[in-house]
Amino acid sequence: ILNVEQSPQSLHVQEGDSTNFTCSFPSSNFYALHWYRWETAKSPEALFVMTLNGDEKKKGRISATLNTKEGYSYLYIKGSQPEDSATYLCAFSGATNKLIFGTGTLLAVQP
Amino acid sequence: DAGVIQSPRHEVTEMGQEVTLRCKPISGHNSLFWYRQTMMRGLELLIYFNNNVPIDDSGMPEDRFSAKMPNASFSTLKIQPSEPRDSAVYFCASSFRRGMNEQFFGPGTRLTVL
Repeated sequence: ILNVEQSPQSLHVQEGDSTNFTCSFPSSNFYALHWYRWETAKSPEALFVMTLNGDEKKKGRISATLNTKEGYSYLYIKGSQPEDSATYLCAFSGATNKLIFGTGTLLAVQP
Repeated sequence: DAGVIQSPRHEVTEMGQEVTLRCKPISGHNSLFWYRQTMMRGLELLIYFNNNVPIDDSGMPEDRFSAKMPNASFSTLKIQPSEPRDSAVYFCASSFRRGMNEQFFGPGTRLTVL
């Protein structure tokens, strides 16, 4: 059974704080690692798709790194803003295009 | 492009009734996924199609659930008969048929079975 785990489960930070979350996934049969942002009452939106070991992606204040050999990815948010409040999901993809999602990290940024 | 379209957005029905959820994927995408979101299990994959063919239905909870994709622009998820424990938000997503490609999610259908 493929398992994707995320930590922490939830995080409360103050506006301006920088924060990071972890996603761990199977290191065998790896094809891609996805990060999604999911706001309450909306649908998940893709942030990054990473495939190469050592890959780093950045979008504004959000960035992600990937280590496929040890099976983990970090998502960083620099200078958190209230609008960053959401659940951040990671998902593992093996040989098929089926995604195995983690349970997410719920981020709450207080003004 | 309008994105992935799902209907209805909300459905309230009584136990035992048949429920049909509909999805129109993004034009040109050849993979379609049905997910269910619950508090207990998070986002779980029910079934997915590549080029209109069901590839993996191992997530379909039981025989009461069925899904079809008669053509590249339409899919249905049917529950017959529905039960209160089926109450959840059901998402449809589409992508190009490659693992590295992001999935685009529809707005979801919130199903309540009384």
